[in-house]
Amino acid sequence: GEKVEQHQSTLSVREGDSAVINCTYTDTASSYFPWYKQEAGKSLHFVIDIRSNVDRKQSQRLTVLLDKKAKRFSLHITATQPEDSAIYFCAASISGGNYKPTFGKGTSLVVHP
Amino acid sequence: ETAVFQTPNYHVTQVGNEVSFNCKQTLGHDTMYWYKQDSKKLLKIMFSYNNKQLIVNETVPRRFSPQSSDKAHLNLRIKSVEPEDSAVYLCASRTANSDYTFGSGTRLLVI
Repeated sequence: GEKVEQHQSTLSVREGDSAVINCTYTDTASSYFPWYKQEAGKSLHFVIDIRSNVDRKQSQRLTVLLDKKAKRFSLHITATQPEDSAIYFCAASISGGNYKPTFGKGTSLVVHP
Repeated sequence: ETAVFQTPNYHVTQVGNEVSFNCKQTLGHDTMYWYKQDSKKLLKIMFSYNNKQLIVNETVPRRFSPQSSDKAHLNLRIKSVEPEDSAVYLCASRTANSDYTFGSGTRLLVI
């Protein structure tokens, strides 16, 4: 089955700097890659996704890059703010059908004022 | 308000007891899920249910069972809890054209 590796367990940046969180996956059939954010003491919520028909997607300060050859995708956050501090989970899944994303272990992002 | 609602927020119980957690979604989604998030924040899918098909993760112990009255409700029952069941249980829903919406979670502590 699919394995998703999220290589950084923690990431610390200064407010205003950029943050990059990296993930890799193993199943070439995976074609949908969502990202979720979990703030302290709260549940997860969806932030951005990318499908395999594109290699880049941007939404305001968030950009997701996908390298299908390397089976790697990443979340880039520009101009970080303290409220970006959270655990970020990447996931990979096939599209449609029996949707069952495999999650990474999460990266705890801390943005220092 | 449209969202995924979970109750209770927090539950403490003793080993061997039975517990039930409720989940209701008012989003009109057609598929619901239960996830377990352990103390290391690792997320594992337990069940998915779309009112026609229940899919069980084969690693889920048999003491766990989902219960659904309609597509807006998916409850989770644990027949005889064990210490390793201590975790946060997250309910989620989605439709074919949307990603997950998660509930706020039920934190279970087994003592």
